[in-house]
Amino acid sequence: QSVLTQPPSTSGTPGQRVTISCSGSLSNIGSKYVYWYQQLPGTAPRLLIYRINERPSGVPDRFSGSRSGSSASLAISGLRSEDEAEYYCAAWDDSLSGVVFGGGTKLTVL
Amino acid sequence: EVQLVESGGGLVQPGRSLRLSCVASGFDFDDFAMHWVRQAPGKGLEWVSGISWNSGTIEYAGSMGGRFAISRDNARNSLYLQMSSLRAEDTALYYCTSDRGATLSDGFDIWGQGTMVTVSS
Repeated sequence: QSVLTQPPSTSGTPGQRVTISCSGSLSNIGSKYVYWYQQLPGTAPRLLIYRINERPSGVPDRFSGSRSGSSASLAISGLRSEDEAEYYCAAWDDSLSGVVFGGGTKLTVL
Repeated sequence: EVQLVESGGGLVQPGRSLRLSCVASGFDFDDFAMHWVRQAPGKGLEWVSGISWNSGTIEYAGSMGGRFAISRDNARNSLYLQMSSLRAEDTALYYCTSDRGATLSDGFDIWGQGTMVTVSS
């Protein structure tokens, strides 16, 4: 069982907006920065969002992050076929003194 | 080119030890914290351990404590993971990844391609 909870899967059609949720607690999301990673099939993960809502250079502004209390969300607008991937949320956990990941959400573009 | 290259994985019997290595190039290795993250076949990401830029802070995931030891050699731009008393559940692809900051942790922005560890008799 992952410390952070994500839905196992979600889907959308091209051009649509989808959101992926990530639920945690006060010791992680509720008090620490949230990070999102994208993992395309057969490849290493890629940092998509850091510090809740910041995008590294090269990441399209179609990707955005937010936090409310001890939950976070990743939003993808203008969905494209190349967005089909596994998405993971992560945060530092003060109680565990380590990084915790969500279980991952598989996004399918229909 | 910014790069992390892992090595040292392979097939190992339960209870034995293995040492993973990761060599960095293309960035100032000694300015950043480093981590190991693993992924079991068909499973999600799991943080294993992290080490600050000067080795002053080291943390491990709870399930790895006492069996794994992370270290770094800034002169060699290298990160290591010494794994002992290996179990079948340690079977995974082990990624070396760099932190965005010098201390733990501000996101993992550079990733290697991983080295596969298989624990089986």
